[in-house]
Amino acid sequence: DTGVSQDPRHKITKRGQNVTFRCDPISEHNRLYWYRQTLGQGPEFLTYFQNEAQLEKSRLLSDRFSAERPKGSFSTLEIQRTEQGDSAMYLCASSKGDRANTGELFFGEGSRLTVL
Amino acid sequence: QKEVEQNSGPLSVPEGAIASLNCTYSDRGSQSFFWYRQYSGKSPELIMSIYSNGDKEDGRFTAQLNKASQYVSLLIRDSQPSDSATYLCAVNRILTGGGNKLTFGTGTQLKVEL
Repeated sequence: DTGVSQDPRHKITKRGQNVTFRCDPISEHNRLYWYRQTLGQGPEFLTYFQNEAQLEKSRLLSDRFSAERPKGSFSTLEIQRTEQGDSAMYLCASSKGDRANTGELFFGEGSRLTVL
Repeated sequence: QKEVEQNSGPLSVPEGAIASLNCTYSDRGSQSFFWYRQYSGKSPELIMSIYSNGDKEDGRFTAQLNKASQYVSLLIRDSQPSDSATYLCAVNRILTGGGNKLTFGTGTQLKVEL
């Protein structure tokens, strides 16, 4: 499978615990994005990497959230001290950073977080 | 005013009919526009992109863009039960370094009835 892969697909945790999600983008894509989607809403932008550099973060990304892409390949999104309001689907997407810059993002299957 | 607005539906159409989905956006600087299909519990899947005014056709799907009216639409011809899903409209803003920030609407739920 050469698409965007995310792990784990589902995570149930207790309030106050830390969780980490991993994303492996499409291999030739140098741009990687994290989005969050809650029930009945469209995905909301969280952050964006070009290679290993995190170039933009949404104000939605509180201090409890941190994302990394250490070698410009896979990325992790960590949520510390989870709250019930963090329950959502966390979507990773990637795109090819070429001259065409079509803006087409390809999403992984998502990691669904439930905070009890 | 929301950045991207869609009617949440549900929009019900009989099998074989044309489904028409609409979207308006507020940022006149938006340059590219997308329609994603999302089945319940699944991730969004890109089905159409459009960059200039007019129509763009791909199989049973036609996207229409009118930048002056800040309006994007998606027509699905010969609707099938498998088209039943939520359709998300997204508009693009170029970020630092050339990345793309998509702003999504809340989606329109389409139901194709037998």
